[in-house]
Amino acid sequence: NAGVMQNPRHLVRRRGQEARLRCSPMKGHSHVYWYRQLPEEGLKFMVYLQKENIIDESGMPKERFSAEFPKEGPSILRIQQVVRGDSAAYFCASSPSDRVNYGYTFGSGTRLTVV
Amino acid sequence: QQQVKQSPQSLIVQKGGISIINCAYENTAFDYFPWYQQFPGKGPALLIAIRPDVSEKKEGRFTISFNKSAKQFSLHIMDSQPGDSATYFCAASGSSNTGKLIFGQGTTLQVKP
Repeated sequence: NAGVMQNPRHLVRRRGQEARLRCSPMKGHSHVYWYRQLPEEGLKFMVYLQKENIIDESGMPKERFSAEFPKEGPSILRIQQVVRGDSAAYFCASSPSDRVNYGYTFGSGTRLTVV
Repeated sequence: QQQVKQSPQSLIVQKGGISIINCAYENTAFDYFPWYQQFPGKGPALLIAIRPDVSEKKEGRFTISFNKSAKQFSLHIMDSQPGDSATYFCAASGSSNTGKLIFGQGTTLQVKP
């Protein structure tokens, strides 16, 4: 079991470019969650997805950010027209259900640097 | 209402000592309180968790103490070791926050040899 796979591990983008972060959940997990960790801060929930559905996007910035979890393939967090304030570590977690107390597993994250 | 407040921000403990990290919450709907351990460059990993129907849970050197009336919970690391040096996060979740964890700000623990 390879665990939750995130790629790339590190991503550098210039201001105004697009960033695409990928998350492959653990085998058998159909629930994916994205979190953002700013330097010296805790993780902040962004979005919760199931296959082909966004369940809760209450933590997503209203503009430039979008997420998807297609029927086939990894979940994608997309940030358009990146700004310096988007620099952070982005973690995804996957689970076999919507309960956090069973099998909720984090990936190693993508460190986004905007220059 | 959705916040979880964690203290201290950083902690230095001698090897063999006890590390104590505290968290407080406001939302009484929270019903699951995990602690996560994060090493540099890695994702958070579940360390231990508790539900509000018990006041204490122990797993090896790690113990969670839970005070429901005060809406506080804490992590105790007994016989702290240099390998315990990491960032620790408390978190909370409830039936109304399906799948969502609310994290504290984190505590950076350094255990000196």
